Parts: sequence; structure tokens; C-alpha cells
Amino acid sequence: QVQLVESGGGLVRPGGSLRLSCEVSRLSFSDYYMGWIRQTPGEGLEWISYISTTGTTEYYADSVKGRFTISRDNANNSLYLQMNSLRAEDTAVYYCARAGYHSTFDYWGQGTLVTVSS
Amino acid sequence: DIQMTQSPSSLSASVGDRVTITCRASQSIGTYLAWYQQKPGKAPKLLIYAASSLHSGVPSRFRGSASGTDFTLTVSSLQPEDFATYYCQQSYDTPFTFGPGTKLDI
Repeated sequence: QVQLVESGGGLVRPGGSLRLSCEVSRLSFSDYYMGWIRQTPGEGLEWISYISTTGTTEYYADSVKGRFTISRDNANNSLYLQMNSLRAEDTAVYYCARAGYHSTFDYWGQGTLVTVSS
Repeated sequence: DIQMTQSPSSLSASVGDRVTITCRASQSIGTYLAWYQQKPGKAPKLLIYAASSLHSGVPSRFRGSASGTDFTLTVSSLQPEDFATYYCQQSYDTPFTFGPGTKLDI
């Protein structure tokens, strides 16, 4: 079945960095925009970033602009999120998702937990 | 930013009931509205896209509709597996924004 598998989450100190990866299989990848969405424990969903099919155009939420960088490798069906200058408020489960028709997120990964704490 | 509100924030219902959840956008978003279902510890799943189109594999008891900036998700006959949290999301403009969610329980 369709699989999006995130990895790279973990515990990091404030000011530190992490790189999240998302491997996509059994799903068309290179023809679709891809995005990252996060969810703080017990809270709602926050869209944080989005990248075009070729990787030439990137979009970010103000909360992460200048600190996070989204990228993709179409040859390996992979999406990435480089997270720098992490803050306690970045603690969340991070999901990768494919953006389908009308930029709706039609398939999601299982999520990876990022905890920012000293 | 486009703000999304949902009502109610929580809802108690029984198997077989018909329930309706409402989502309102702070400005016109056309039909750039999706509905997701999320169960505890799991990723959200797409139910409805373009306000009223059923995603592949989603049961036909789920229906979406739109009227201006108001959107509704209706479940015609609740099944045990439908008890979850439901979110709306606008994809009209970045930053894409989600509603705060509606928790549907027994």
C-alpha cells in the first residue's frame, strides 16, 4: 500500500538542529507538491512548509521562516526538512504529506516526534 | 492569514445518528476546503476535498457541502469507527490553515 515514512525526529536542545526525512513509496511523487504539517501534543494541526514539484519554489509559515528549509530528491522519492535554531515551541509531531488536487493533503506519513528541551 | 473556525468543538452522538460539523472561513476560499479525520495516535486521513468530493476509499456516508464561506461535513449514519476528531483545512492561499477540530465521541 501507499507509504510515506518519516524519520529523523528525536530530542534536541534549544538552538539545535535536526533534519527530517520522508521516503515515499507506491505513490506518485515527482508530479506532486509535497508538504510538512506539525501537531503539538494534544493540539491542532499547523501547516509549516510546502515545495513545488521541481523543488524550485518553497513556501513557509511565518513561525518557521528563516529557520527551516524544505527540499526534495525526486530521484529517490524523498522529502526533507532541515530545522535549525530550534525552540521549545517547535516540539511537535511532524507529518509529511502529498499535496494533491486543490493542494489538499491526500496522503500522510505516520509522523515523527521532535522534542526541543534542555 | 485566513482563519478557520469549526463548530461544535465537541459532539456526543450514537451509532446510527446523523451528525453535521460546520467550518467557516474568514474570507472567500471558493471550494478550496478539505475535511480530515484523525484518530488518537494516528495521522489525519483525507475524507473530502474541493468542499464536496469524496476521497478514494471513503464511505459514501460522508458528505461535504459549501455555501459561501460556510462548509459542512455530514455523516449520515455514524458507525463505531467514525468516532474521531475532524478538521477542516483551507488550501486557497498560504499559509494553509486548519480549523481547531471537532471531537466526536460516543
